[in-house]
Amino acid sequence: AQSVTQLGSHVSVSEGALVLLRCNYSSSVPPYLFWYVQYPNQGLQLLLKYTSAATLVKGINGFEAEFKKSETSFHLTKPSAHMSDAAEYFCAVTYSGGYQKVTFGTGTKLQVIP
Amino acid sequence: EAGVTQFPSHSVIEKGQTVTLRCDPISGHDNLYWYRRVMGKEIKFLLHFVKESKQDESGMPNNRFLAERTGGTYSTLKVQPAELEDSGVYFCASSLTSGGGNEQFFGPGTRLTVL
Repeated sequence: AQSVTQLGSHVSVSEGALVLLRCNYSSSVPPYLFWYVQYPNQGLQLLLKYTSAATLVKGINGFEAEFKKSETSFHLTKPSAHMSDAAEYFCAVTYSGGYQKVTFGTGTKLQVIP
Repeated sequence: EAGVTQFPSHSVIEKGQTVTLRCDPISGHDNLYWYRRVMGKEIKFLLHFVKESKQDESGMPNNRFLAERTGGTYSTLKVQPAELEDSGVYFCASSLTSGGGNEQFFGPGTRLTVL
């Protein structure tokens, strides 16, 4: 069975500071990993995904995430937070081998303080 | 290109009533998914259509929930009769393929409140 744990339901950072959102996964087979973002009153938007190619994945809006198999982690980072980054972020996992449903974490709300 | 649309955006009903949610996927996407997020919890998979057929409905909570996808286009999710615990945000998503690395495109969700 697969699962995702996001550490911290709320994270606050100052504008210009490093953003670090944590995600750990559990999967019995090689995973595919995703980060989605939800801005207020909008649907989930894919930020980036890991599908067994490069372990450092770059996404939109300056975000990136590194797949670390030894730590079963896929943390999301951005060097410098902008006010527009305030949103809720979801880590998700599925795995290879044809159709597999997606399992989401509980989400992390990011607040950016001016 | 239009994204995934959902209607209504909000619905407030009383316990015991019926509600029907609608999802229009991106044109050409054969795969359509329903998810639900109960307040403060994770987004949970409900079911997956490939065209008009149900590929996986393992996440449907009980038989008060009925999903259909007529002609493989839009989909409806009916809750009858609604209970308090059905409150939450219902998301629809669509994708071109259903492989493990596929990108699912999400709609804005329907916020359902059962009083």
